[in-house]
Amino acid sequence: EIVLTQSPGTLSLSPGERATLSCRASQSVAKNYLAWFQKKPGQAPRLLIFDASNRASGIPDRFTGSGSGTDFTLTISRLEPEDFAVFYCHQYAVSPLTFGGGTKLDIK
Amino acid sequence: EVHLVESGGSWVQPGGSLRLSCAASGLSYSDLWMNWVRQVPGKGLEWVALISKDGGQTKYMDSVKGRFTISRDNARNSVYLQMNSLRVDDTAVYYCAGGWGWLTLYWGQGALVTVSS
Repeated sequence: EIVLTQSPGTLSLSPGERATLSCRASQSVAKNYLAWFQKKPGQAPRLLIFDASNRASGIPDRFTGSGSGTDFTLTISRLEPEDFAVFYCHQYAVSPLTFGGGTKLDIK
Repeated sequence: EVHLVESGGSWVQPGGSLRLSCAASGLSYSDLWMNWVRQVPGKGLEWVALISKDGGQTKYMDSVKGRFTISRDNARNSVYLQMNSLRVDDTAVYYCAGGWGWLTLYWGQGALVTVSS
């Protein structure tokens, strides 16, 4: 099983600042099949990034995914008020599919 | 665009059974691999099971193998999760999600399953 470790657990920032979220895999993620989701209470998860660096349809360009192998990063260039949420990385390369534990991005 | 709606969430006693349904509308449902993903209240996301486009291939997380069964009926644009021998730690919001390949692009709003005596 591929274990995904996200850091930090909580990130406190202000609107307009830059956010950098990390996801480390216990083994290489084949074909960089790594996605990032945004989750708000009471809402379905929203796909932001797939294949490590491709933005999903309708996702603003302030969201950028990067990395390969075992180390991946989600960067939000200039935080908007609606960006504050919990973010999960997710590998869909091998079964069992797995999610990271999440990074909570809250308003400072 | 695909729209997914879960139903069947309820309270059940430990050891009981429940069947979740997910109805899909929109184009290309039969082209999608479908998944169930759950979230324990206050915790993270956890993948549960997936099924191929034609239903011929299924995969499960270890803790539900032998207890849960994922199935689909493409004529009814629906996917199901039969859950038997439910345990307290199965309590969660269960999301139906689908996409091309194993990537989950479309998600429902979730159905709450509570396992408690």
